[in-house]
Amino acid sequence: DAKTTQPPSMDCAEGRAANLPCNHSTISGNEYVYWYRQIHSQGPQYIIHGLKNNETNEMASLIITEDRKSSTLILPHATLRDTAVYYCIVRTSGGTSYGKLTFGQGTFLTVHP
Amino acid sequence: DTEVTQTPKHLVMGMTNKKSLKCEQHMGHRAMYWYKQKAKKPPELMFVYSYEKLSINESVPSRFSPECPNSSLLNLHLHALQPEDSALYLCASSQHQGNPSYEQYFGPGTRLTVT
Repeated sequence: DAKTTQPPSMDCAEGRAANLPCNHSTISGNEYVYWYRQIHSQGPQYIIHGLKNNETNEMASLIITEDRKSSTLILPHATLRDTAVYYCIVRTSGGTSYGKLTFGQGTFLTVHP
Repeated sequence: DTEVTQTPKHLVMGMTNKKSLKCEQHMGHRAMYWYKQKAKKPPELMFVYSYEKLSINESVPSRFSPECPNSSLLNLHLHALQPEDSALYLCASSQHQGNPSYEQYFGPGTRLTVT
C-alpha cells in the first residue's frame, strides 16, 4: 500500500470548516483513498472513500487532486464531537496487502468552542 | 444498519487463563477482521477471514487463535497471554476482502487487560 503523510495535529473552531490534508505521492491507479476517524477509546468510524473523483456524503467531502498525490477531507461545519484522530489510508486491491487497512499515525483534530 | 458488535466490552484475565472475544455482524458481509490497538498507537491488522476461511495471519503468536464459525460470527480465543498483550481488540467486517471499494466497518472493541 502507498504510504500516507498527515500532520500530527490540527485545530479548528466550532462551526468552521475543518480541512485535513493527506499526502500519498506514491499512490497507484487502482488504490483508493479512505478516511476513518477514531474518537477516544472507540472503534474507528468510516467517513468516506474515493478513487479519482471528489466525493461527498452526509459526514464529509473528499477532494482528490488531479494527479491523485494528495487529498483533503473537509468537515463542513465542525462540532466539538468531531474532535478525534483522523486517519487517511490508501487501500489496494491485490498483492500481500489484500484487503488490508494500514493505519498511519493520523491527525489529531481538536475542535475548540 | 452498519453495526458490528463485540463482547465483552472489558476483559481482565490472568496469564494462565483461557478466554474468548466475540464479534458479530448481520450485514451479510463475507470478510471479517481482527485488529489490535495498543495505547496511543494506530490499529494493526492481526487476521482476515474471507468466506469463513482464514485468509491473512499477520504472523500473530499462536496464543491468539481466531475462529469463524459462520459468516456472521468471529471469535478470538486467548490462551497464556502476556501483560504486553493488553490492548484494545477491534473487529471489523466488509462485503468482500479483496475489493477496495467496499469499506470496513468496525466494532467498539474489547479492552483487554492481562495481569
